This record gives sequence, structure tokens and C-alpha cells, in this order.
Amino acid sequence: DAKTTQPTSMDCAEGRAANLPCNHSTISGNEYVYWYRQIHSQGPQYIIHGLKNNETNEMASLIITEDRKSSTLILPHATLRDTAVYYCIVRVLYNQGGKLIFGQGTELSVKP
Amino acid sequence: GAVVSQHPSWVICKSGTSVKIECRSLDFQATTMFWYRQFPKQSLMLMATSNEGSKATYEQGVEKDKFLINHASLTLSTLTVTSAHPEDSSFYICSASRTGWGSNQPQHFGDGTRLSIL
Repeated sequence: DAKTTQPTSMDCAEGRAANLPCNHSTISGNEYVYWYRQIHSQGPQYIIHGLKNNETNEMASLIITEDRKSSTLILPHATLRDTAVYYCIVRVLYNQGGKLIFGQGTELSVKP
Repeated sequence: GAVVSQHPSWVICKSGTSVKIECRSLDFQATTMFWYRQFPKQSLMLMATSNEGSKATYEQGVEKDKFLINHASLTLSTLTVTSAHPEDSSFYICSASRTGWGSNQPQHFGDGTRLSIL
């Protein structure tokens, strides 16, 4: 089973920041938090990942609480193309690859 | 960036046919690849872990004789759905991550194969 819980859906106005929360209260000390998104009928797209420090890249920022029991993905200026299902995943350590167990994700709708 | 390619993108075939789906890592080597399936309006479900040069590891409830996995090289894994039936119709997606870069390297996904069995 997935080790994360996310809201089923969220709306965001175009141009505003989208803040997507995720709870992972049973995360282990050496498990990473990953974020992916899936646009309809495509494979998931990697966004960002982190262990305990906040992370930022060209797509988004990831804020992880100090106790690591929750995190927030921030899309700073949402566009209509950011409409997708966003998955927060705690990566299960498994040989060299580390398998991903997907939960139900958050369906983000960016509206004009 | 890392690219994973799947082929074919979609396939329609008759019940009882076996269907092979290819997953290639185009610009990196991948000791491990993963196969998922996704039904409409549902999340991705991990089916199996494909290991180069050894047997695949299947998730609980996935029939290994039904879904044959071969990972013969560091850039290619194949999934064969044997004697496919309409209930096997689904969206099949593979992923891979770079070999030897540590277990925290992100997995990159192919664009999926939509399989329809008539």
C-alpha cells in the first residue's frame, strides 16, 4: 500500500502558486519523498524529490517538514498546462532501483 | 534528460493473441526497470521489477506465466502478455532509473502502451 495521503482534488487560478500537500507520517529515516505528475494518457513525469532538506528546481519547490511527516509541492506560477494528477510517493528502498508505490494522487485543475 | 521509450504506443488484437511491449532506456543504462498497469480513472499499479540478466520479481497477485518479462540487456526490457483476453486491456507503462547512481535516482517513465483486446 502507498505510504502517503493526498487530497483527491484541488483547483488553482492560472498564474497563482499551487500548493499541494502530502502526508507521510510513517516515513522511515532513509526514505525519500518523490513527486510525479501524470497528464491524461501519458506516462508519469518526474518533478522533484528530497530527503529532509527543502529542494527547488526549474519546475517546482519541495518543502519537507522538520519531522518529515508531511511535505508540500509548490508550483510557483501555475499554468493551464500544469493541470494533471500529482502523485506524492515515498520510495521503498529495493535493490538499486527502489520501487515506487503510487497512491491515488491529487487531481489539480488550473483555471483561467 | 533521461528518456525512456515504449513501443508500440497502442495495440489492438484478438483474444488469445500474445502481445509484446518493449521498453528502452535511450541515453542511459538501467539494471532495473519496472512495469506498471493502469485502468481508467485509477492509479498506477506496480506489476513487476525487471532485473537485467536474472528473473523478474512479481508483485503479489500478478501472474508470472501470464506476464512474461525479459530484460536481456541494460537498455531493453520486454513485457509479453500471453494469451491476452479482454480483461487484460489496460494502459501498460514502464520506468527505469540510471544504473549505479544510487537508490535515490529518479525513475523515468515511458509514455505507455494502450492495449485493447477484442
